[in-house]
Amino acid sequence: GQSLEQPSEVTAVEGAIVQINCTYQTSGFYGLSWYQQHDGGAPTFLSYNALDGLEETGRFSSFLSRSDSYGYLLLQELQMKDSASYFCAVRDLEAAGNKLTFGGGTRVLVKP
Amino acid sequence: DTGVSQDPRHKITKRGQNVTFRCDPISEHNRLYWYRQTLGQGPEFLTYFQNEAQLEKSRLLSDRFSAERPKGSFSTLEIQRTEQGDSAMYLCASSLTGQLNHGYTFGSGTRLTVV
Repeated sequence: GQSLEQPSEVTAVEGAIVQINCTYQTSGFYGLSWYQQHDGGAPTFLSYNALDGLEETGRFSSFLSRSDSYGYLLLQELQMKDSASYFCAVRDLEAAGNKLTFGGGTRVLVKP
Repeated sequence: DTGVSQDPRHKITKRGQNVTFRCDPISEHNRLYWYRQTLGQGPEFLTYFQNEAQLEKSRLLSDRFSAERPKGSFSTLEIQRTEQGDSAMYLCASSLTGQLNHGYTFGSGTRLTVV
């Protein structure tokens, strides 16, 4: 089976930087993804890391260390609209068809 | 393409009744997934289709749950004899084989309340 751990909540002010950590345990591993979900909305895809290192997409970056079973999502220049829940998810090699297992989510609250 | 559509957006039903939800994925996506999400939790996998074939079903899914994807297009999720514990957001997502770096596209979900 798979399990993922991420902090339940993070609070920061506008313009700040937030790092959301995710540690995972899987029987096989084939990539770490991140999704954003606003209250009442659908999860939306942010990033995917299959290899070690940092992937940058605008203000958001995602990092993976497969040897440490660890990754993080970095939110820079925080804006009020970034207030949302963020989920890490892993794809298991043993799973059929890119099935993802999600963490419990980190609620990010951005204050003015 | 208008993305993944789910219908209805909200459903309130009495315990013991049957409910059916519909999902229309992105037309060129061959993979379709159903997830369930309760408040403050991450989405939990229910079942997965590749084209019309149901390839995996969660061990957590009771026999009261059934899903279909006739002709590999839209999908339906039926819950029979609903229980209060079935109250949740039911999310549908679709993806295309080989495009891992594009992730899933989720619909806005169907919120089920069993009273």
